Amino acid sequence: AQTVTQSQPEMSVQEAETVTLSCTYDTSESDYYLFWYKQPPSRQMILVIRQEAYKQQNATENRFSVNFQKAAKSFSLKISDSQLGDAAMYFCAYRNQFSGTYKYIFGTGTRLKVLA
Amino acid sequence: DTAVSQTPKYLVTQMGNDKSIKCEQNLGHDTMYWYKQDSKKFLKIMFSYNNKELIINETVPNRFSPKSPDKAHLNLHINSLELGDSAVYFCASSFRNGNTIYFGEGSWLTVV
Repeated sequence: AQTVTQSQPEMSVQEAETVTLSCTYDTSESDYYLFWYKQPPSRQMILVIRQEAYKQQNATENRFSVNFQKAAKSFSLKISDSQLGDAAMYFCAYRNQFSGTYKYIFGTGTRLKVLA
Repeated sequence: DTAVSQTPKYLVTQMGNDKSIKCEQNLGHDTMYWYKQDSKKFLKIMFSYNNKELIINETVPNRFSPKSPDKAHLNLHINSLELGDSAVYFCASSFRNGNTIYFGEGSWLTVV
């Protein structure tokens, strides 16, 4: 069964600095999607960034970028120029591309604090 | 326009009661989900429907019964509520072979 692991329950970053959140996953599939979702105190789940496993190029969305290491099954999120509004829970997620029931599996989350 | 909307947003109820949470999506998706987020923020899938057909049914007490009248709606009914049912319940939707899942704002259930 697929699993997603986020080993950092909490991280802190100074405003305007860069922080990296870690995520590892376990799967025997070759095609899948990986995601980072942000959950601010409002509890809304917001898609931050998405990576297709077949793409070697790392996805980027403005200040957010990923380091996707397929062989190592690692998918870290880098937030550059951190802002106070980035403070939230961040969830890493996985989904099969072709097989099974297309279930989205989430990690346990990392709470990011941004210090002014 | 809200893409995935669920009601109620907040619900406080006593143990033993029966309650329902409703969900509707206007994204044209064919697959809908219920996730439960407990006090430790762990997000766990409960059910998924594709075109009104149940495709994911995780280990959930049978007090929880989903119903999908059409592919745009997925409701969750909970019988005989227990203290441990207190959580935030998220509805979500996607295309079955799509690459993104969209969440509602969550329904915060407190059982007292």
